[in-house]
Amino acid sequence: TQLLEQSPQFLSIQEGENLTVYCNSSSVFSSLQWYRQEPGEGPVLLVTVVTGGEVKKLKRLTFQFGDARKDSSLHITAAQPGDTGLYLCAGARSNDYKLSFGAGTTVTVRA
Amino acid sequence: DTAVSQTPKYLVTQMGNDKSIKCEQNLGHDTMYWYKQDSKKFLKIMFSYNNKELIINETVPNRFSPKSPDKAHLNLHINSLELGDSAVYFCASSQGLAVGGPVEQYFGPGTRLTVT
Repeated sequence: TQLLEQSPQFLSIQEGENLTVYCNSSSVFSSLQWYRQEPGEGPVLLVTVVTGGEVKKLKRLTFQFGDARKDSSLHITAAQPGDTGLYLCAGARSNDYKLSFGAGTTVTVRA
Repeated sequence: DTAVSQTPKYLVTQMGNDKSIKCEQNLGHDTMYWYKQDSKKFLKIMFSYNNKELIINETVPNRFSPKSPDKAHLNLHINSLELGDSAVYFCASSQGLAVGGPVEQYFGPGTRLTVT
């Protein structure tokens, strides 16, 4: 059973459109991270959120941590082909050494 | 300079064989990990070492044995390979442990293991 559920599993949009990826859980996380993985490479950290309700912006990417620290979203404005990749959310619980990953959302931005 | 490197990049072998994957990090981190990513892209922790001490050992068959000769290296040896072992294996490192805290993990490029 996965702790973190990501939706949608696949997302294909045209360049210039906006998209949102969701990461949900019934567990509370002390921190939540978003990674992007490109084909043939390992995941690379995009952002870490630690406070309920926190919003972080990274250029055209906006990350939000839910008030109850059980969910998060990633919003991309005016998507570009370079945003194509597998987006993974990962959470750390207060009593756990390990990082639990969601199954990922594959985003394809068509030129 | 590559921060986390793995060898080999690709590994094709037959069922029943024994193989090893090597990982090295030059970031000076004290914690290293092995993850398995299946065909559906789900990334699951297998092992973690902190200062050469095993701290995470998920439900992984005994055929998988990690070895950390020093803080910069974490190798994975797999005995009696099975078809279900086919996956991409990622090594990662971080400074410190994610005990509820936000540690950034740096991943290697992965080793694609195919068992035929």
